[in-house]
Amino acid sequence: RKEVEQDPGPFNVPEGATVAFNCTYSNSASQSFFWYRQDCRKEPKLLMSVYSSGNEDGRFTAQLNRASQYISLLIRDSKLSDSATYLCVVDTPGMDSSYKLIFGSGTRLLVRP
Amino acid sequence: SQTIHQWPATLVQPVGSPLSLECTVEGTSNPNLYWYRQAAGRGLQLLFYSVGIGQISSEVPQNLSASRPQDRQFILSSKKLLLSDSGFYLCAWTTGTGGPELFFGEGSRLTVL
Repeated sequence: RKEVEQDPGPFNVPEGATVAFNCTYSNSASQSFFWYRQDCRKEPKLLMSVYSSGNEDGRFTAQLNRASQYISLLIRDSKLSDSATYLCVVDTPGMDSSYKLIFGSGTRLLVRP
Repeated sequence: SQTIHQWPATLVQPVGSPLSLECTVEGTSNPNLYWYRQAAGRGLQLLFYSVGIGQISSEVPQNLSASRPQDRQFILSSKKLLLSDSGFYLCAWTTGTGGPELFFGEGSRLTVL
C-alpha cells in the first residue's frame, strides 16, 4: 500500500463548481498534513495546512479524519486559475527525529469556462 | 528572508555521463534538506534527506548519491546516468525543528538520452 494515495483525476469541472479531493495515508503516527499546489512544470507550493479541527481559507476548506486516515480538500466557486495538480502531503516520523514529507501523486484539476 | 537556489535549471545528458545538481539555501541555518524527483506525470519521490552536514539518508536504492559538504549546500550526483534518471529534480528545505512548510527550489529538469 502506498504511504499516501490520491485519485489522479483529472477532475474536469465548469467555472463556479464545487469540487472535492480525498487522500488517504497509511502511517497512523503521522502528525502533519498539508495540501500543496503544483502548476505545470513548476515547483510545488504550499496551499494550506490541515488541522484536526478543519480549516478554511477563502474558497478552500481542508478536513482531517484521523480515525479513517484521510484528508480532504474542498474548493468552492472554482476559478480558471484553480487549474493545477493538488498534492496531498503527510509527514512520516523518522527514527532519527528527521522530518520527512511524503507526497501523494497528485490530483489534477481542470476548470473550464 | 530565506531563499533557495538550485541549478542548473535544465540539462540534457547522454547515458553513462556524470551528473551534479547543486542546491544552496540562504537566510537560515541548520536546515533539513531534501532531494525529490518527479518523473513525467508522476508524483514526487523522496530520494535523499539530510539533517546536518555529512548526514545523508537515502530513501530508495538507485543510481544517485547525495552529499552535504556545508550546512546550506546539498548536492545530488551520479557517476553514470541511466535513461530512467530522467525527471524533474527538486531540492527543498525546512527548518531544523521540522517544518511545517517545505520550501522548494525551482527545480532541475534532466533529460537523459
